[in-house]
Amino acid sequence: NAGVMQNPRHLVRRRGQEARLRCSPMKGHSHVYWYRQLPEEGLKFMVYLQKENIIDESGMPKERFSAEFPKEGPSILRIQQVVRGDSAAYFCASSPLRDGYGYTFGSGTRLTVV
Amino acid sequence: TQLLEQSPQFLSIQEGENLTVYCNSSSVFSSLQWYRQEPGEGPVLLVTVVTGGEVKKLKRLTFQFGDARKDSSLHITAAQPGDTGLYLCAGADLWTGTASKLTFGTGTRLQVTL
Repeated sequence: NAGVMQNPRHLVRRRGQEARLRCSPMKGHSHVYWYRQLPEEGLKFMVYLQKENIIDESGMPKERFSAEFPKEGPSILRIQQVVRGDSAAYFCASSPLRDGYGYTFGSGTRLTVV
Repeated sequence: TQLLEQSPQFLSIQEGENLTVYCNSSSVFSSLQWYRQEPGEGPVLLVTVVTGGEVKKLKRLTFQFGDARKDSSLHITAAQPGDTGLYLCAGADLWTGTASKLTFGTGTRLQVTL
């Protein structure tokens, strides 16, 4: 079984551009989570999605950030008009159930805003 | 807001020594997970503890969940260089409406030298 696949691994964007981060969950996992890790900090929850539904977006910044998990294809985390403070590692995780068990993380996308 | 504090933040020891990492909170969690993260990679789940007072052993690693479900510890016996990494605890709260998101601790960076 392939694990959680994230791409790209590294992404460089200039201030004001858009960043699109992709996440394909493990086979059989219908629950997807996005976390952000700032340098020298722990992981912070951003959003929890199931197919075609946003279940919990309490950790998402109010502006410029959006996420989707369409019926077909990967989950997308989209950051519009990026700023330097968006530079971080963004991790996606998936699980088979909503009970918080069985989390599997991807290798992350490292976003650098220049 | 639920917070998880880990101690120590940094630990540098020699091969063969024992160590304990602590994870403390003022909040109660329904389960607690421990992860290890290596540079440039996503966190890898080591163990999930779900019952207050539970002790789990994984080879040289021993995990304990506090009786009150507010704290946990990770004990490593006879540390090896391969144990080097960032250790993260993460709590889940199934009793609220936002069950599936994890609250991560501040992390303990362990370095084991020869």
